[in-house]
Amino acid sequence: DTAVSQTPKYLVTQMGNDKSIKCEQNLGHDTMYWYKQDSKKFLKIMFSYNNKELIINETVPNRFSPKSPDKAHLNLHINSLELGDSAVYFCASSPGKKALSYNEQFFGPGTRLTVL
Amino acid sequence: DAKTTQPNSMESNEEEPVHLPCNHSTISGTDYIHWYRQLPSQGPEYVIHGLTSNVNNRMASLAIAEDRKSSTLILHRATLRDAAVYYCILRDPLGDSNYQLIWGAGTKLIIKP
Repeated sequence: DTAVSQTPKYLVTQMGNDKSIKCEQNLGHDTMYWYKQDSKKFLKIMFSYNNKELIINETVPNRFSPKSPDKAHLNLHINSLELGDSAVYFCASSPGKKALSYNEQFFGPGTRLTVL
Repeated sequence: DAKTTQPNSMESNEEEPVHLPCNHSTISGTDYIHWYRQLPSQGPEYVIHGLTSNVNNRMASLAIAEDRKSSTLILHRATLRDAAVYYCILRDPLGDSNYQLIWGAGTKLIIKP
């Protein structure tokens, strides 16, 4: 069984569109995350979230919003897509109700977003 | 910005030990040292973490200098499947018991058959 899964694996879309990436974890973890890995391969935290607290990286444009229907899911919604949003997006989860309180994160396989 | 420095790349022969160095001279007393690796076209994978003492698990060993300003990830017997980018990261406090990882460029480990 896949611990952290993401859909879709690839997403190609036009500038200005709105899209969502879905993430699900079956590990029973309380905290989930979204990361962006750009073309230079640097991995940057975007959000960490549990069902009571959202921690936002201040550099993330407000076009990006996490949406959590339940503890096992954290979807990433992006409005008005721009060329610079092209990247690989990784979802992750960790135990504990605080971000990285138990040190270990589990990552999904990534979603490669291409904005044309 | 990442608080760690690592060599851009390293090469090793298959079935030999690999020592991946990391410098973190500005580490504070409560910063945990984390290692993750990312295989090609995959998400990052946790390898090991430590605070002060050396740590061992099924994947690797982590040797931490006495002054904690550097550490070394040791793969005891590298295989071709260990070819990946290895990231050394300090857990960064955000306040209210929350933390984040500030990722650097990592070390690309090349394994030669």
